[in-house]
Amino acid sequence: DAEITQSPRHKITETGRQVTLACHQTWNHNNMFWYRQDLGHGLRLIHYSYGVQDTNKGEVSDGYSVSRSNTEDLPLTLESAASSQTSVYFCASSPSGAYNEQFFGPGTRLTVL
Amino acid sequence: QKEVEQNSGPLSVPEGAIASLNCTYSDRGSQSFFWYRQYSGKSPELIMSIYSNGDKEDGRFTAQLNKASQYVSLLIRDSQPSDSATYLCAVRRGNTGKLIFGQGTTLQVKP
Repeated sequence: DAEITQSPRHKITETGRQVTLACHQTWNHNNMFWYRQDLGHGLRLIHYSYGVQDTNKGEVSDGYSVSRSNTEDLPLTLESAASSQTSVYFCASSPSGAYNEQFFGPGTRLTVL
Repeated sequence: QKEVEQNSGPLSVPEGAIASLNCTYSDRGSQSFFWYRQYSGKSPELIMSIYSNGDKEDGRFTAQLNKASQYVSLLIRDSQPSDSATYLCAVRRGNTGKLIFGQGTTLQVKP
């Protein structure tokens, strides 16, 4: 069955370290998204991609980067982790076209100490 | 004004009742609307999508869309304790693939 996976599921890191969160989908969706979810803020879009070599900034992109070298993967990198980046991170994907139903991965809980 | 607004709740209903969840949005040009269910500690799960004015039914769930009044609602009939979760309303932004999410409404179904 097609699916979307994220790894690691839990991560503890220290301030200043570089961290990469993986997202892999087997639906062959062109669109992929990274969100963070925090109490009081809901789901906020970090970065998104509409296809290979395409990346775009979302509403809370500072301190994060993504790259899209193939259809299946959109890794999210925290260049220098900060305590404010402690959050739950969700990856999602959707097909191109008029309806754009997004399907979410299981999430990564990141703690920055 | 937020682009997508929901009452945070909690909305408490007895088992077997109808739960009504509401969402308003600000972009009159929005065309696609979605309801996600999120259990505590889990990821959002798509349960309904609606694109045209009127009602769309899927099992115990009915989504209602009124573009003139800019609101979308979700009705859950015969509510079960397993329906207790946070329900997120999402609206597609223009012609992009991006979704704007509301803060979510917490539903509690009491046995």
